[in-house]
Amino acid sequence: DVQLVESGGGLVKPGGSLRLSCAASGFSFTTYSMNWVRQAPGKGLEWVSYVSTTGEYIIDADSVKGRFTISRDNAKNSLYLQMNSLRADDTAVYYCARESRMGGWFDSWGQGTLVTVSS
Amino acid sequence: AIQLTQSPSSLSASVGDRVTISCRASQGISSAVAWYQHRPGTGPKLLTYDASILESGVPSRFSGSGSGTDFALTISSLQPEDFATYYCQQFNSYPFTFGPGTKVDIK
Repeated sequence: DVQLVESGGGLVKPGGSLRLSCAASGFSFTTYSMNWVRQAPGKGLEWVSYVSTTGEYIIDADSVKGRFTISRDNAKNSLYLQMNSLRADDTAVYYCARESRMGGWFDSWGQGTLVTVSS
Repeated sequence: AIQLTQSPSSLSASVGDRVTISCRASQGISSAVAWYQHRPGTGPKLLTYDASILESGVPSRFSGSGSGTDFALTISSLQPEDFATYYCQQFNSYPFTFGPGTKVDIK
C-alpha cells in the first residue's frame, strides 16, 4: 500500500525555521513528482511546492517563494520542506502529496503535520 | 493564477439524496480538473480526475462532469461516509489552485 508519513511539525516563533519530512513507502518513489499542500485553520487547500522526480525542477507558490525550499532524497524515499522566515499566516497542516504520473492531480496524500507559527 | 469558485459553500442533505456541487474556473481549462473528498484528521482523497474519470476504488455513486469553465461533482445517493468537505482542483497551469470547498453535512 502507498504510504506517505509527514513529520517535523510543531510550534515555532515568527521568523523561525522548521524542516518537514515525508517518508514514502509502498511505491517507486523515484518515478513520481511530489508536492506539498497546506491547509490553514478553517481555510481551504493551498498548493505550496512541486519537485520533479530527479529534483531538477522545482516550482513554488508565490506565497512561499524565497522562504521555503522543497527537496527530495530518492535514496531515502523522502521528501522535505525547509521553511525559513516563518510568518503567522504559514500556520497550517502541511500535506505531502504524490502527483499522478499521468497528470497534475494528487493521487495519494499523507495525514498531514501541523505547523504553528506564534510568539 | 486561475481562480476556482464552488457552489454551494455548504449544504445539508439526507442519506440517499442526490447531491451536485459546482466548480467554476476564471478561464477555460479544458478538462484539467480533479475532485477530492476531505474528512477531518485525514489527507484528502482523490475522487475524479480529467473532469470525469473515476479514480480506481472510488464508488460509482460519485461522478464528475464538465469542461471549459464549468464543472460538477455529483453523488447519486449520499451515504453516511460521504459527509465531508469536497474540493475541486485545476491542474491546467501553475500555480495549481483549489476551490474554497463545499461542506456536506447531515440534515
